[in-house]
Amino acid sequence: QKEVEQDPGPLSVPEGAIVSLNCTYSNSAFQYFMWYRQYSRKGPELLMYTYSSGNKEDGRFTAQVDKSSKYISLFIRDSQPSDSATYLCAMSSNLNDYKLSFGAGTTVTVRA
Amino acid sequence: NAGVTQTPKFRVLKTGQSMTLLCAQDMNHEYMYWYRQDPGMGLRLIHYSVGEGTTAKGEVPDGYNVSRLKKQNFLLGLESAAPSQTSVYFCASSYSIGQGSSGANVLTFGAGSRLTVL
Repeated sequence: QKEVEQDPGPLSVPEGAIVSLNCTYSNSAFQYFMWYRQYSRKGPELLMYTYSSGNKEDGRFTAQVDKSSKYISLFIRDSQPSDSATYLCAMSSNLNDYKLSFGAGTTVTVRA
Repeated sequence: NAGVTQTPKFRVLKTGQSMTLLCAQDMNHEYMYWYRQDPGMGLRLIHYSVGEGTTAKGEVPDGYNVSRLKKQNFLLGLESAAPSQTSVYFCASSYSIGQGSSGANVLTFGAGSRLTVL
């Protein structure tokens, strides 16, 4: 069983819809949770990061962490065609843990 | 500011051939990594380095070697390529932002190198 599970999709939504992405994990030591966005044929780029449980909002993006359920989510409000990409969750147990554990990524297409 | 640069971007090898992927970063990051990305598998860490002259094995190191002779460069070598090494390879470098509960280890990735082994 993988340490981080992520539904690969693909997910197709109309423009303006809310996109909901999630990951589950098995390692209770994880404390730092990140979402990376990867456009086609490009490298991943950091979108958001959160520490421990709770919510974090940045514009149209909201990240949620529920450590009790070992479940993290990313919500994209008012989705745009430019949000079409693969979204990867990543996590680590401490700030100096250089070895992030990545999910497999969910591919999202936002239809105009 | 180029960030992380990988060369070559594409390469086709025959089984048994050798090659080296080059990674250069201009952000003065201490930490560098090589990942491979395969469909349905996500990013898997091959080798990483926490400083000049140091390297360590990641999740899938077999068949690969690395060197970090200079802080800004991290080389990934395949001594005898196999079809199972057909993949997209990403180099990354990282720094830590914030501290304690506000911190995170932020990776900056290159654009990737697509390798096909026939």
